[in-house]
Amino acid sequence: EVQLMESGGGLVQPGGSLRLSCAASGFTFSSYEMNWVRQAPGNGLEWVSYISESGSNIYYAASVKGRFTISRDNAKNSLYLQMNSLRAEDTAVYYCAREKLSCHGDCSDYWGQGTLVTVSS
Amino acid sequence: QSALTQPPSASGSPGQSVTISCTGTSSDIGGYNHVSWYQQHPGKAPKLMIFEVSKRPSGVPDRFSGSKSGNTASLTVSGLQAEDEADYYCSSYAAGNNFYVFGGGTKVTVL
Repeated sequence: EVQLMESGGGLVQPGGSLRLSCAASGFTFSSYEMNWVRQAPGNGLEWVSYISESGSNIYYAASVKGRFTISRDNAKNSLYLQMNSLRAEDTAVYYCAREKLSCHGDCSDYWGQGTLVTVSS
Repeated sequence: QSALTQPPSASGSPGQSVTISCTGTSSDIGGYNHVSWYQQHPGKAPKLMIFEVSKRPSGVPDRFSGSKSGNTASLTVSGLQAEDEADYYCSSYAAGNNFYVFGGGTKVTVL
């Protein structure tokens, strides 16, 4: 069974840092592209970042570029999101999502349950 | 403001059809057949319903269909059922600053 489990969320002050993790199981993690997607309370989905299977290709939303860093450890079946210089507007539930094989576009067929990040003083 | 534009709400009676539009530009929807649709129930993670404009993942009922014309993609839900009441989001690959972009979401109500 495919499972994605995020962790690392919590309350952080503006300007602070947080590192999210996503533990993957039930599939060959190293064969899949991965995304981070967030959802502010009561709002819609916002794509945050993408990483290719090997980590050689990485993309960010303009809203987080220069502040967030996506990475993966295929040996540990884990995806990460390092978030620095956090702002109130980064408050959201953060989901990790797996992209469907051989799919063009944002084809996230499995999602974690999400982890809440709250940026507030 | 979302990069893709969706109507905030849509509704239909059980058994009827509802169509949701998603409007972008030639840099995203219009330029690529890389449109996806997600369904999200309250408090749950999104679920992929359509990918590559009109393809359905295994397990998604054929009541859900997708299409595209120019810069606008559409999701049609036929034979509405109570469990179809949810938020629906479109997504597209986008050349330029953002790799992927979402629509603002459409709340579908089954009357």
